Formats: sequence, structure tokens, C-alpha cells
Amino acid sequence: DTGVSQDPRHKITKRGQNVTFRCDPISEHNRLYWYRQTLGQGPEFLTYFQNEAQLEKSRLLSDRFSAERPKGSFSTLEIQRTEQGDSAMYLCASSPKVGISGELFFGEGSRLTVL
Amino acid sequence: AQKITQTQPGMFVQEKEAVTLDCTYDTSDQSYGLFWYKQPSSGEMIFLIYQGSYDEQNATEGRYSLNFQKARKSANLVISASQLGDSAMYFCAMREWSAGNNRKLIWGLGTSLAVNP
Repeated sequence: DTGVSQDPRHKITKRGQNVTFRCDPISEHNRLYWYRQTLGQGPEFLTYFQNEAQLEKSRLLSDRFSAERPKGSFSTLEIQRTEQGDSAMYLCASSPKVGISGELFFGEGSRLTVL
Repeated sequence: AQKITQTQPGMFVQEKEAVTLDCTYDTSDQSYGLFWYKQPSSGEMIFLIYQGSYDEQNATEGRYSLNFQKARKSANLVISASQLGDSAMYFCAMREWSAGNNRKLIWGLGTSLAVNP
């Protein structure tokens, strides 16, 4: 399978714990995005990488959130000291370029439940 | 103010019939793109169709077509010959191409479509 893959698909954790999600984009894609989606809402933009450079971060990304893409390939999203409000689906997407359409290719998401 | 409005929280359609999912948008950019994505219960966002603001013809992709009415700022998705597998959430999204603003999609709240056998 050569699509975007995310791991883990589901994570249940206790409040205050740290969690890390991994995203492997489509191999030739240099742009990578993280979105968060809560129940009944559309996705909300969190952050964007072009290669290894993090070019944009949403104000939604508090100082408890950090994202990396060290070699311009896979990316990790870490949430420290999780809170119940962090419970959501975390979606990763990649794209080859912002061209005519700039279509995003999404993974299946990582669902976080904070107890 | 919402930039993408999907007024139909839920829709039902009979199998093999056509259905229209509404989307209106708000932007002051002259150059923008409109997208429709499908999200089944598995969670993955699946790209369906794209319409650029300068495209003169309505986009079509198989059973999907986009009814683009620029003056009304609407970009409705039409699904013809509905299938049971079309049951999912459908999201309308927009990307504005102004400088520094083209990295993220702005999403509506979605419409839940149920196809009845």
C-alpha cells in the first residue's frame, strides 16, 4: 500500500500522559499536514511541513503540542500532558505540490481518547 | 463567520437515485479552489472532486459532478446513481490562493449521507 499511513490508529490514555503519533506520507510528496477533527466538525488545520521545515503552525497548536519531520519523510506529532479536550481524530495528509489543485491525500487518522 | 457552509446535517437518498449536497462559501479572493471529500466510518478522507475558481466548466469525476455557481458562491456536489457504499460524511472545503494563505484547507461541518436500499 503506497498511501499515507498513520500509527497508531487508536490510542487511549489517561489525562496527563504524553502521546506520540506517527505519519508516513506518500514517498514522493514533500508537503505534509496535520489536522485535528472532533466529533461533528470538519478538520482543523494544525501544522504544515515542506520537506523538513515546519512552515506554519495554527494557534490551535498550544505549547503542549510539537510536530517534527526530521528528515523530510515521516512526521511525528507529540502531545504532552494530555487533557480531555485533546480527544479527537488526528489526521495526516500529504501532497506533492501546491499546483493546480493541491489535492491532499489523507491517512486513516489516529483517534485519541483521553480519560 | 463561516467560510464554508453546509446547511444539510443529514441527507437520505434511495439507491440508484441522484442526490445533491449543498455547499456555499465566502471569500474575497479571486483565485481559489473548492474540494469535496468523502469520509466513511473508517475515518480516511477521500478526495472526490475539485473546481478552480477560473474553471469555466463544471468539474465531473465519474458519478460525481460539481454544480459551480460562482455568482451565488455555491459549489454543490451531485452524486448520480447512488450506491450503498456512498453512505458517509461529505465535506466541502476551500483553499484560497492568496499569498501566504494557500497551505491549508478551510472545511465545512459536513453532511451525513445515508443511502437506502
